[in-house]
Amino acid sequence: EIVLTQSPGTLSLSPGQRATLSCRASQSVGNNYLSWYQQKPGQAPRLLVYNAYNRATGIPDRFSGSGSGTDFTLTISRLEPEDFAVYYCHQHARSPLTFGQGTKVEIK
Amino acid sequence: QITLKESGPTLVKPTQTLTLTCTFSGFSLSSYAVGVGWIRQPPGKALEWLALIYWNDDNHFNPSLSSRLTITKDTPRNQVVLTMTNMDPMDTATYYCTHLGGWLSDYWGQGTPVTVSS
Repeated sequence: EIVLTQSPGTLSLSPGQRATLSCRASQSVGNNYLSWYQQKPGQAPRLLVYNAYNRATGIPDRFSGSGSGTDFTLTISRLEPEDFAVYYCHQHARSPLTFGQGTKVEIK
Repeated sequence: QITLKESGPTLVKPTQTLTLTCTFSGFSLSSYAVGVGWIRQPPGKALEWLALIYWNDDNHFNPSLSSRLTITKDTPRNQVVLTMTNMDPMDTATYYCTHLGGWLSDYWGQGTPVTVSS
């Protein structure tokens, strides 16, 4: 099983600041099949980035993904008020599919 | 437009069997490489993948739960059913069904909350 470890657990930032979220895998993620989701309270997760760096349909370009192998990053270039949420990474390269434990981006 | 909606009981007793139905539109499970998955999220906790099924009946389960899970599809009715036996309070969670592109969950239902309590 590929274990995903996200850091930090919580990120306290102000609107307009840059957010950098990390996801580290216990084994290499084949084909870089690593995605990122955003989840707001009471809502289902929303796909932001897939295959490490491809933005999903309708996702603003302030969201960008990078990385390969075991180390991946989600960057939000300038935080908007609606970006404060929990973010999960997810590997869909190998069964069992797994998720990270989440990073909460909160308003400072 | 792809949509999915989960349905099932909101409350089950310990040891009972949970049956959840995912009813979807905007795609067909008769189409090549199309699948539906199930993921759950206990209150305040992270997401946990449960199971998936593909157009060709290929299926996969989370090994930690595989002995308790069954997944089936009803292609004409555009439905996928997940059953989980021997429910425990630790299974209290919101259960989501998702559309799979490959193994990527790209569209999600709104989720259905399930509480396990006597």
